[in-house]
Amino acid sequence: ETGVTQTPRHLVMGMTNKKSLKCEQHLGHNAMYWYKQSAKKPLELMFVYSLEERVENNSVPSRFSPECPNSSHLFLHLHTLQPEDSALYLCASSQVRGRDQPQHFGDGTRLSIL
Amino acid sequence: QQQVKQSPQSLIVQKGGISIINCAYENTAFDYFPWYQQFPGKGPALLIAIRPDVSEKKEGRFTISFNKSAKQFSLHIMDSQPGDSATYFCAASGNYGQNFVFGPGTRLSVLP
Repeated sequence: ETGVTQTPRHLVMGMTNKKSLKCEQHLGHNAMYWYKQSAKKPLELMFVYSLEERVENNSVPSRFSPECPNSSHLFLHLHTLQPEDSALYLCASSQVRGRDQPQHFGDGTRLSIL
Repeated sequence: QQQVKQSPQSLIVQKGGISIINCAYENTAFDYFPWYQQFPGKGPALLIAIRPDVSEKKEGRFTISFNKSAKQFSLHIMDSQPGDSATYFCAASGNYGQNFVFGPGTRLSVLP
């Protein structure tokens, strides 16, 4: 398998549930990202990991908790979400963290909060 | 200052026509401008990128035009095809930091 793989592709959960999104990259990259994509809004950067260390957290509510156990895997743990958290969550990776580094995106997890 | 404005929100073009999407920015620290293409059900994919030291970059049917003084850049798709129907995002990054700022996207529909 190549590229960036995200699972599950779709997730429906209640506001009191706990679930996790998984991202795996097979590109040998050292930087990984979580983005939130809502309709008609710009992609919102949520978290940045470089060499498995979280280097940025863009004021994301604590109900979102990222984890990067190694350079190939990234998780987003979800708990007590709100309806406004319904969106497409995209994972991306790049060779290194840098302003001119192409980011390779997965196909996302479509999250719906009931 | 960290925003990238993009227009139009949606665009309908006949097959063979030219599609033009425009972006504008305020932050003069931006110095790298990529365009991403996203098909339904897929993640965005890098299409083409430009730096401000050139005014134009062409790759096949896709061309970026860059106007540094106006702080504007645009994507031109020549001979547009139905397979080009997708959402296009412009983005910018710069030496203020290392993250991209994305525009809100343009949904392009190319009619057969």
